Amino acid sequence: DVVMTQSPLSLPVTVGQPASISCRSSQGLVYGDGNTYLNWFQQRPGQSPRRLIYMVSKRDSGVPDRFSGSGSGTDFTLKISRVEAEDVGVYYCMQGTHWPWTFGQGTKVEIK
Amino acid sequence: QVQLVESGGGFVKPGGSLRLSCAASGFTFSDYYMSWFRQAPGKGLECISYISQGGSDIMYADSVKGRFTISRDNTDNSVYLQMDGLRAEDTGMYYCAKRTRAPHFGGPGTLVTVSS
Repeated sequence: DVVMTQSPLSLPVTVGQPASISCRSSQGLVYGDGNTYLNWFQQRPGQSPRRLIYMVSKRDSGVPDRFSGSGSGTDFTLKISRVEAEDVGVYYCMQGTHWPWTFGQGTKVEIK
Repeated sequence: QVQLVESGGGFVKPGGSLRLSCAASGFTFSDYYMSWFRQAPGKGLECISYISQGGSDIMYADSVKGRFTISRDNTDNSVYLQMDGLRAEDTGMYYCAKRTRAPHFGGPGTLVTVSS
């Protein structure tokens, strides 16, 4: 199985400051159709997961533009340009290229 | 807007069975792959199965293969997960999702508890 490794696992941030989460995969994530199925999810406390970013950098409808995704090959990053209090939660990367799809361990974002 | 409503969870003893349902709305159901994910208490997410639009492409995670069966009814806009031979480690919240490689969650999930 493809191992997804996130860092850091805990991220205390000050409101208004930027934040960055890294996700590395044990194999390349380019699928045969040329797409890279690397997604980012936010899970607020007590809520279901919400997709923020799909295929590395495509932001979902309704997701604030302070969230952005980048990367290629085996290294990917989720950035929050200016953290807001509502961004508290756990963030997961997930690969949908090699079955079984796998998730990172999750990064807990909290406000300092 | 994608809406998914999972149901059918509950408390069951080891070896028992449950059938989860997911009612979809807000999109053309028959055009999309559908998936089931789960999350054990305090743990991360796991994709356990997916099914193609017509049901010809089905995959299962090793952890549930031979025990769980996914199916769908395109006339009813629903996807199902028949869970047999349940184990304590199957305990968790179960979510259905639109698509599979880039899943879109849209429901509250349904809680499955397996305990003696």
